[in-house]
Amino acid sequence: DQQVKQNSPSLSVQEGRISILNCDYTNSMFDYFLWYKKYPAEGPTFLISISSIKDKNEDGRFTVFLNKSAKHLSLHIVPSQPGDSAVYFCAASGIWSGAGSYQLTFGKGTKLSVIP
Amino acid sequence: EAGVTQFPSHSVIEKGQTVTLRCDPISGHDNLYWYRRVMGKEIKFLLHFVKESKQDESGMPNNRFLAERTGGTYSTLKVQPAELEDSGVYFCASSQVDRGRYGYTFGSGTRLTVV
Repeated sequence: DQQVKQNSPSLSVQEGRISILNCDYTNSMFDYFLWYKKYPAEGPTFLISISSIKDKNEDGRFTVFLNKSAKHLSLHIVPSQPGDSAVYFCAASGIWSGAGSYQLTFGKGTKLSVIP
Repeated sequence: EAGVTQFPSHSVIEKGQTVTLRCDPISGHDNLYWYRRVMGKEIKFLLHFVKESKQDESGMPNNRFLAERTGGTYSTLKVQPAELEDSGVYFCASSQVDRGRYGYTFGSGTRLTVV
C-alpha cells in the first residue's frame, strides 16, 4: 500500500514558466514533507521541506504548499530553468516502528523536463 | 566536505552469489541509513544506524541481508545469497541528526543487477 503518491510520471514545461509537481499522501501521522531532486547516476539531493503544521515554505525559486485537509502537497518552481530538469521525489517523514527512528517514505518520482 | 561515498557504483552478479556494498558517510555523521529502489518503484527504507548500533532495521526484506557499521564509521550491506528480486539501486545516506525535516545527504548509489 503506497502511502505517498506522485501520479504524474513526467512533466514538460517551457523555460521561464512555472513547474508544478504534485504529491498525495494517505497517512495523517507524517510530520514533515520533503522534496528531493535526482539527476541520472546521482543520489537524491534534498531540496526543500515543510512541517505538517505549516501550509507554505519558500526558498528562492522553490515553494512547497501543503493542504492537510486534502492530504496534498505541491512543489512550485518559478521560473523554471533547463538545469531543473531531473526526477523529483516527494517524501514524508515519520516514526513508524517501535525503534523510534525517523524513516522517509518516498513517492515514485516525477520526471521534469524544462524545454529551452 | 566530502559527500557520502558508495562503492561499487555497479555490480552484476549471478543468482546465489554474495555481494557486499560499502558506504562511507560524511565524517562526523552519526546517523547512517540504507534505502533501496527497485526498478519502477519507490525508494524504500531498509535500516538506520546510530554510530555502530542498529537503531531500526524494520525495512530489511529478509535474513539474506546483513548490514554492519564498523566502529561507527563506514557501513557494509551484504546480500547472501542474492536473488533476482534483489536487483535495484541501493542508496546510503547520512545525517548529523535523525530528523526528517533536515533531509539526509545521499550517496550516488550502487546499482545491483542479479542475473
